[in-house]
Amino acid sequence: NAGVTQTPKFQVLKTGQSMTLQCAQDMNHNSMYWYRQDPGMGLRLIYYSASEGTTDKGEVPNGYNVSRLNKREFSLRLESAAPSQTSVYFCASRPGEWEQYFGPGTRLTVT
Amino acid sequence: KQEVTQIPAALSVPEGENLVLNCSFTDSAIYNLQWFRQDPGKGLTSLLLIQSSQREQTSGRLNASLDKSSGRSTLYIAASQPGDSATYLCAVRGPYNTDKLIFGTGTRLQVFP
Repeated sequence: NAGVTQTPKFQVLKTGQSMTLQCAQDMNHNSMYWYRQDPGMGLRLIYYSASEGTTDKGEVPNGYNVSRLNKREFSLRLESAAPSQTSVYFCASRPGEWEQYFGPGTRLTVT
Repeated sequence: KQEVTQIPAALSVPEGENLVLNCSFTDSAIYNLQWFRQDPGKGLTSLLLIQSSQREQTSGRLNASLDKSSGRSTLYIAASQPGDSATYLCAVRGPYNTDKLIFGTGTRLQVFP
């Protein structure tokens, strides 16, 4: 099992550009999540998906959109990147009631 | 609104010491609490998960306790080693089996030889 994988690992964007962060899990988990991690702020939930075909807003959804393409894949899209979206983005998945499993992260810089 | 605080923010200890990391939360109506480890530039690795009905969980040199009524959890690391150096994060879920985890800001631990 590869667990939770994320692409790309690093990305630099200019203000106003768009991009999609990809996430996939091979553990057959129902729930998937996108977080951002900023210094001194901890991890904050952007969006989550409790099951295929459903998505819900988290704590900081503004400026982002998500797609739960199928049970394995959950993508995060920035339509018009802003410097405030410079962060490290983590995808996670969870089986039922138990612990969350995290991907290695995508380090995004918006100039 | 649930808030999670971790104290201290950073800790530096010599190898071999037993140490305690603290996590406090403002709303005691939690479903469970999870401790994670994060190495620099890496993702999070789950260490221990404590359900709301449990008082503690152990894994090797790690022991996590939960006191819901006082809104506190501690992570005890026995006989610390340089390989334990990392940031330790706690996160709470709840109430009920909600999908949302609320994270603390972490304790950055350095264990020197």
